[in-house]
Amino acid sequence: KNEVEQSPQNLTAQEGEFITINCSYSVGISALHWLQQHPGGGIVSLFMLSSGKKKHGRLIATINIQEKHSSLHITASHPRDSAVYICAVRKKLTFGTGTRLTIIP
Amino acid sequence: NAGVTQTPKFRILKIGQSMTLQCTQDMNHNYMYWYRQDPGMGLKLIYYSVGAGITDKGEVPNGYNVSRSTTEDFPLRLELAAPSQTSVYFCASSYHRTGGEKLFFGSGTQLSVL
Repeated sequence: KNEVEQSPQNLTAQEGEFITINCSYSVGISALHWLQQHPGGGIVSLFMLSSGKKKHGRLIATINIQEKHSSLHITASHPRDSAVYICAVRKKLTFGTGTRLTIIP
Repeated sequence: NAGVTQTPKFRILKIGQSMTLQCTQDMNHNYMYWYRQDPGMGLKLIYYSVGAGITDKGEVPNGYNVSRSTTEDFPLRLELAAPSQTSVYFCASSYHRTGGEKLFFGSGTQLSVL
């Protein structure tokens, strides 16, 4: 079993929908990262969380340390949000396999 | 700032050849990492460094070597290329500060070993 599990693996939604991507982990961590990988391959850091909730524009990330679970939400989704979203947990930085999000206009 | 710069972007190697993937960052970050990304798989840590002169193995170090003689540079060496090393390689750096850590990634190197 992977230390970091993401769900769903693939998600297709209509423009404007509220999106939730989940990340569960099985190890004790000091922090969790959400990353975005664009179709061209580049990886961008979105959030680093150690507790609670963070918001940046239309993106919201939450973490529950006791339940070993984090979620990434996208409000008012747009086709430019189409990407692979990756959760990574800070031990030696272990990555999930990613969630491929496609937003249809 | 250029951020994290990786070269080359693409490379094809024959089995048994050697090459060095270059990575440099101009943000004065102490932490640097090399990852490989295989299709459908998460990023796997090959080697990392917490500062100049200090390196350590990650999950999948076999077949690779690194050095960190300066804060800026963290090259990854493949000595005897094998088809199993066909992958996309990412270099990353990070800084740690109160409230957390920020990660920066290079644009990736697509390597094929034939």
